[in-house]
Amino acid sequence: EPEVTQTPSHQVTQMGQEVILRCVPISNHLYFYWYRQILGQKVEFLVSFYNNEISEKSEIFDDQFSVERPDGSNFTLKIRSTKLEDSAMYFCASSEQVRPLHFGNGTRLTVT
Amino acid sequence: DAKTTQPNSMESNEEEPVHLPCNHSTISGTDYIHWYRQLPSQGPEYVIHGLTSNVNNRMASLAIAEDRKSSTLILHRATLRDAAVYYCILRPDGGATNKLIFGTGTLLAVQP
Repeated sequence: EPEVTQTPSHQVTQMGQEVILRCVPISNHLYFYWYRQILGQKVEFLVSFYNNEISEKSEIFDDQFSVERPDGSNFTLKIRSTKLEDSAMYFCASSEQVRPLHFGNGTRLTVT
Repeated sequence: DAKTTQPNSMESNEEEPVHLPCNHSTISGTDYIHWYRQLPSQGPEYVIHGLTSNVNNRMASLAIAEDRKSSTLILHRATLRDAAVYYCILRPDGGATNKLIFGTGTLLAVQP
């Protein structure tokens, strides 16, 4: 069964550094999402992306965050200048239009 | 976004049925009822969804009240692998968004 893959599984970075989290969505999906989950807390929506543009974003997704689909297969989340509070699991998901979301197993981001 | 209410935690014994309740008294006519689960250290995983009629798939059954103000996810024979957080989520059909908004869910413990 096709699946969403995310790399790396764990990323450690220093405060103020830029990080790029990578995702390969399921190949025929057209909708892409990023979520995050701070340890012990809820899964929070960050952004959805369709037709090469952001379709919706949450208050968390401020100017420090950006998303890109640089080629036909990858979907990336960039955090320009990481803060300690950005430490979390980041989940990528993809879907066909009105279909269930398929999630990856996440990237654990640790900001020191 | 319409809100759902779930018990914080439930326990079950292995090989017995589990009924996970969800209240959604403010559901609107176009809201689908979705269930996802999150196994330890993994991303959320789709379980089942429905609109008005009861639904069955290989993972579970979904029983929807006639007034749609509540639903129950049924695992017919719980296994240790079913220990997870189960999320009941309302998702509008159509419209501009496909995002899911996660609550705190029900933590299901399965005892051998």
